Amino acid sequence: GAVVSQHPSWVICKSGTSVKIECRSLDFQATTMFWYRQFPKQSLMLMATSNEGSKATYEQGVEKDKFLINHASLTLSTLTVTSAHPEDSSFYICSARPMDSYGYTFGSGTRLTVV
Amino acid sequence: SQQGEEDPQALSIQEGENATMNCSYKTSINNLQWYRQNSGRGLVHLILIRSNEREKHSGRLRVTLDTSKKSSSLLITASRAADTASYFCATETGANNLFFGTGTRLTVIP
Repeated sequence: GAVVSQHPSWVICKSGTSVKIECRSLDFQATTMFWYRQFPKQSLMLMATSNEGSKATYEQGVEKDKFLINHASLTLSTLTVTSAHPEDSSFYICSARPMDSYGYTFGSGTRLTVV
Repeated sequence: SQQGEEDPQALSIQEGENATMNCSYKTSINNLQWYRQNSGRGLVHLILIRSNEREKHSGRLRVTLDTSKKSSSLLITASRAADTASYFCATETGANNLFFGTGTRLTVIP
């Protein structure tokens, strides 16, 4: 089946630094990928939709300059958390939908801890 | 917010029993999907039901959809300890993205 690879699976960084999270579709092309954020024991909140070759679409309340998204190829989208702060600590998950599938395939998620 | 709500928030049952989770949503949808998430991991797609469908089965899973009430239910029959996870409903509108419900944490006791 379709696989979305996300890494790192966890990262600890200092306040003020930037962290890049990668999301790759391994066996299918994804013109669109989705980035979610999940707080402990809560639901997934859509942050942005990543579009290959064009600008990402951000959900209301999500800072574009804070969460930089790049979708430079049909198999790779990256999310960079810039100038991270402790309140950015969360679980970030990406997803994409293969063309021959109705369901979405999710990455395994990235646990970000900002200290 | 387009986020749906699920109930119960948490459910604990004995192995072999059936588990029922409910989901309510707010807007018109193209389809509704159910996902499973093991602790600290990504989500796994379980089943999709289209807006013109009322019931769907997949193995031990049974999903119903009532668009007039904007609600859906997921039934897991003959539960197993390995079914322990969080279950989320997610609605897909014409915008081609998913909005998730609040989730139900299911614990199946061996």
